[in-house]
Amino acid sequence: GEDVEQSLFLSVREGDSSVINCTYTDSSSTYLYWYKQEPGAGLQLLTYIFSNMDMKQDQRLTVLLNKKDKHLSLRIADTQTGDSAIYFCAETLGYSSASKIIFGSGTRLSIRP
Amino acid sequence: SAVISQKPSRDICQRGTSLTIQCQVDSQVTMMFWYRQQPGQSLTLIATANQGSEATYESGFVIDKFPISRPNLTFSTLTVSNMSPEDSSIYLCSVSDRTMNTEAFFGQGTRLTVV
Repeated sequence: GEDVEQSLFLSVREGDSSVINCTYTDSSSTYLYWYKQEPGAGLQLLTYIFSNMDMKQDQRLTVLLNKKDKHLSLRIADTQTGDSAIYFCAETLGYSSASKIIFGSGTRLSIRP
Repeated sequence: SAVISQKPSRDICQRGTSLTIQCQVDSQVTMMFWYRQQPGQSLTLIATANQGSEATYESGFVIDKFPISRPNLTFSTLTVSNMSPEDSSIYLCSVSDRTMNTEAFFGQGTRLTVV
C-alpha cells in the first residue's frame, strides 16, 4: 500500500544543520517532494526530486534519495529561525497529471538559540 | 509555477449550514485537487476535480457531502455541506503544473471553523 512516514518532531540549534528523514513504501514513486508549512499558512513547495536521481541541491537545501531503502532526507544547512515550520514529505505515483500526492504526517522543526 | 487564489481564507460557520470554497488559478491547468487538513494532521485528498466531468472522490468522501464544480480549466469550487464541528479543518486546493505534469502547487487554504 501507499505509506509515507516521518518523525513528528525535530529540534536543532540555530546555525546547525537540520536533517529531516522520510521513508516510503511504494517503489513506483515518480516524484518525491518536500513541502514547508508555516503556522496559519498553506503549503510551500520547497523542492522535489525525480525518482531516478539520488541527490539534488538548491542553495541551503540538499535532498538525498536512497531508492533501494526507500529513504528520502532533507538537509537544511545553517538553520535559521525562519526555518521553523512543519515539513511534509510526499510522493507521487505515476506520470500523469492526474497522479495524486501521498503526504507524510509532517515533521515539526523547532530552532533553539 | 502557478499562482492559486482561494476564497475565503477563513470562515466561522454554524452547524447545519454549507460553505462554498473557490479556487482560482492564473493559468489553465489539467487537474485540480481538493485536500483536507484536520487540526494537527497531515493532508488527505478529498477528490480530483475534472473539467467537463464529475469529480473523482477518494474513499471516505462522497459527493453529497463535498460537491465539487469545475466549470473551466482555471476554476473550481468545493462545497462543504451540512457542516458539523468535525468538518473544522483547513481545505486546500492544489493544481498540477503542465510542464512537469505531476508537480503540485497549493493555495493558501481556507481555515473553516464550525460552531
